[in-house]
Amino acid sequence: SQTIHQWPATLVQPVGSPLSLECTVEGTSNPNLYWYRQAAGRGLQLLFYSVGIGQISSEVPQNLSASRPQDRQFILSSKKLLLSDSGFYLCAWSVLGTGGTGELFFGEGSRLTVL
Amino acid sequence: AQKVTQAQTEISVVEKEDVTLDCVYETRDTTYYLFWYKQPPSGELVFLIRRNSFDEQNEISGRYSWNFQKSTSSFNFTITASQVVDSAVYFCALTTRVDNQFYFGTGTSLTVIP
Repeated sequence: SQTIHQWPATLVQPVGSPLSLECTVEGTSNPNLYWYRQAAGRGLQLLFYSVGIGQISSEVPQNLSASRPQDRQFILSSKKLLLSDSGFYLCAWSVLGTGGTGELFFGEGSRLTVL
Repeated sequence: AQKVTQAQTEISVVEKEDVTLDCVYETRDTTYYLFWYKQPPSGELVFLIRRNSFDEQNEISGRYSWNFQKSTSSFNFTITASQVVDSAVYFCALTTRVDNQFYFGTGTSLTVIP
C-alpha cells in the first residue's frame, strides 16, 4: 500500500534562518507531488506541485522553493524565513489512475513557527 | 478557471442532529472530479470520497451521504445523527482531466456539541 511521510512534524525557527521540510512517498511510482500551506484558521494554499523529477511549478511567488531530487521525494526549502512563513505545511501526492484523476493523499503535516 | 465555494464558514449542531455541508463548484471542463476531505484537530487531511463528473449517482457510507447535482453544480455532504467525533474542518475540492491542480474550498468548520 502507498504511504507518505513528512518531517519534521514540528519546527520552531528564528526569523532569517533556513528551512528544509522533506516528504517521501512509498508504494507508488511517478506520483504528482504537492506542497500546501495552511495558515491558522485558514484554507489550503497551494505552494508548489511537481509532475516529475526536476519539474516544479510554483503557484505563489515568495521566499520558498521546492525541489524533487528523486521520483518520490519532495523538499520544501527557504534560505531565510519570514514571520509570515509560519503555518501548517502539508505534502500530498496523487496518481492518475485508470478510473480518472486519483485522489490527493496527504502527509501528517509539519507545523512551523517562526519567531 | 476552476473554483470551489463553501459558503458555510462555521456550523454548530447538537449531537444526533443531521447536518449538511454545502459545496458549489465552477469549471468549464466536461470531465472533472470532486472530493471531500476531513481535517480533525490533529491536522492531517483525510480523504472521504471522490465523485466523477460522469457519475451522478449519490452515495451513502454509513452516516455519511453525498448529493451530486450537475444541474446546480453542487456536491453536498450530509452527516446523519452527528457525533462529537465528526467535529472537524471539512474541505470540498475539484480537479479536472487536463489539470494537475486541486482546487479547494475554504472549508467548513463543524462543531458537534454533546
